[in-house]
Amino acid sequence: KQEVTQIPAALSVPEGENLVLNCSFTDSAIYNLQWFRQDPGKGLTSLLLIQSSQREQTSGRLNASLDKSSGRSTLYIAASQPGDSATYLCAVNQKHRQGGSEKLVFGKGTKLTVNP
Amino acid sequence: GAVVSQHPSRVICKSGTSVKIECRSLDFQATTMFWYRQFPKQSLMLMATSNEGSKATYEQGVEKDKFLINHASLTLSTLTVTSAHPEDSSFYICSARDLGQGISWNTEAFFGQGTRLTVV
Repeated sequence: KQEVTQIPAALSVPEGENLVLNCSFTDSAIYNLQWFRQDPGKGLTSLLLIQSSQREQTSGRLNASLDKSSGRSTLYIAASQPGDSATYLCAVNQKHRQGGSEKLVFGKGTKLTVNP
Repeated sequence: GAVVSQHPSRVICKSGTSVKIECRSLDFQATTMFWYRQFPKQSLMLMATSNEGSKATYEQGVEKDKFLINHASLTLSTLTVTSAHPEDSSFYICSARDLGQGISWNTEAFFGQGTRLTVV
């Protein structure tokens, strides 16, 4: 059974700092990994999608890496801003035994607070 | 990115009543949509996979007679919580993938805004 773990559970940093969020998964048979942002009481906003054959993806101040063999991904946020404060979720997409479709398995998230 | 709209964003209902939640893909077609449930400080848990024109596939432990799913068109899936109980109070979120972007499992999943259900 796939398990996704995110460390740390919470992180508080001063504005301008570079930071790294970690995600690990137990089963490396994945299609891809996706990072999301969730604001309190809101839905999920997709940040980055990394295919299983890729090593990293970049979007603006965000960079996500993937090491499928070791079951790890990191999300790097450069020059953090107060507006980055949110919960960051990582999810692995894997083949679902039921009906052969795919299934996203989520971690519990890292709650990030960027202080002005 | 693609837009998934979920309605309502918040609903309060009495115990024993039914509540319907809608999930629409606004600018793309989705033969498959997914329904998740999120408890406070917990992961999103997949409840069921909604398939256009056919029966939904439910995860183990999810009562299909309690959580009715209908996916009547390529842009709309509905989740109905029947005979709601206070323990059904939770945050429900749907997601879909844009088929026009390629193979389903190779594309980004887009999520709705979520529905906060409170059963009193």
